Amino acid sequence: DGGITQSPKYLFRKEGQNVTLSCEQNLNHDAMYWYRQDPGQGLRLIYYSQIVNDFQKGDIAEGYSVSREKKESFPLTVTSAQKNPTAFYLCASSPGTGPSSYEQYFGPGTRLTVT
Amino acid sequence: AQSVTQLGSHVSVSEGALVLLRCNYSSSVPPYLFWYVQYPNQGLQLLLKYTSAATLVKGINGFEAEFKKSETSFHLTKPSAHMSDAAEYFCAVKPFGNEKLTFGTGTRLTIIP
Repeated sequence: DGGITQSPKYLFRKEGQNVTLSCEQNLNHDAMYWYRQDPGQGLRLIYYSQIVNDFQKGDIAEGYSVSREKKESFPLTVTSAQKNPTAFYLCASSPGTGPSSYEQYFGPGTRLTVT
Repeated sequence: AQSVTQLGSHVSVSEGALVLLRCNYSSSVPPYLFWYVQYPNQGLQLLLKYTSAATLVKGINGFEAEFKKSETSFHLTKPSAHMSDAAEYFCAVKPFGNEKLTFGTGTRLTIIP
């Protein structure tokens, strides 16, 4: 089955620690995205990547970092510089070009709790 | 920048009643429009999309939405609510060009038995 996997489902960390969230897709999609979801705020874009070895900041990139070394993988690191890291993180992907690229497919999400 | 407004952060309907979730967008040019559904602690699933073809779009689970350019709206409806429809629903807009997909703040739908 094609799809997007995110692991782990739940993640707990102490304040001051960096943590990396995994996102893998086998849809052969060129573009991948990371969103943060907080209650009542919808989805906010953190980073996105349209091709391997290239990525761009989204609306709330501060305190986060990403890499895109392989087409299938787009890990997100939440650094200690992120002031409010506790949230639900969603990874998505889409085909590379044309109108079909506008439709995004989502993973199941990772709920990060930092105390 | 493009924006999308979902009126009503919480909507409750009785089982069997009409579901109406509202979405308005700001754009001088009709964009691509999407409705996604999210069940608790899960990712988003595409319900339906408008891509400048038919203005009445049918999606999964009996949902449909009508694109109304004059009202800049893309409201989501379902004739008869089912308990399994309880979830959060997000409207999203993708303008032409390089602007990103923008999501509304979501509407939580509760179904009353």
